[in-house]
Amino acid sequence: GENVEQHPSTLSVQEGDSAVIKCTYSDSASNYFPWYKQELGKRPQLIIDIRSNVGEKKDQRIAVTLNKTAKHFSLHITETQPEDSAVYFCAASMDYGGSQGNLIFGKGTKLSVKP
Amino acid sequence: DAGVTQSPTHLIKTRGQQVTLRCSPISGHKSVSWYQQVLGQGPQFIFQYYEKEERGRGNFPDRFSARQFPNYSSELNVNALLLGDSALYLCASTRLQGGGELFFGEGSRLTVL
Repeated sequence: GENVEQHPSTLSVQEGDSAVIKCTYSDSASNYFPWYKQELGKRPQLIIDIRSNVGEKKDQRIAVTLNKTAKHFSLHITETQPEDSAVYFCAASMDYGGSQGNLIFGKGTKLSVKP
Repeated sequence: DAGVTQSPTHLIKTRGQQVTLRCSPISGHKSVSWYQQVLGQGPQFIFQYYEKEERGRGNFPDRFSARQFPNYSSELNVNALLLGDSALYLCASTRLQGGGELFFGEGSRLTVL
């Protein structure tokens, strides 16, 4: 089955710097890669996602890149702010045949943005 | 529009007991998935249901079971509770058609003593 590895487990940056979180996946059939942000005691919330027919996607300060050949994808946050501090999870799934609800998550990256 | 709602929010059980957790998906969402999130880890997939049928099952023992009702709400049952079942149980719903975005509920935090 699918396995998702996420690095680093913790990341500390100064406000205004960029942050990059990387994930690798094992199943070449996976074609949907979302990123979730989870604040302490809160639900995971989708911040951006990408499908395998796209190499890069941006939404304001957040971008995700996907390399299907190498089976890795990355989250890039620019101009970080203290409110970006949270745990970020990458995930992978096969986005067809009713499998969209079966996400395999990485172990998470705790991002701390210092003012 | 209401989001995914789960109940109860917190509960404490003892080893060997049984627990039932409930989930109501976002209106219009026909697929419900259950995840277990142990402290400090990512959510782990337990079950997915669509149109009342099981569409996927993660690597969990038979003590875990679930069902989906005609109104698309769902229940997760865990029998013979173990200390290791202590976790946040998250329910997520999706339209299924047209995209894979999952919307999570706030979760039910289960503590097994």
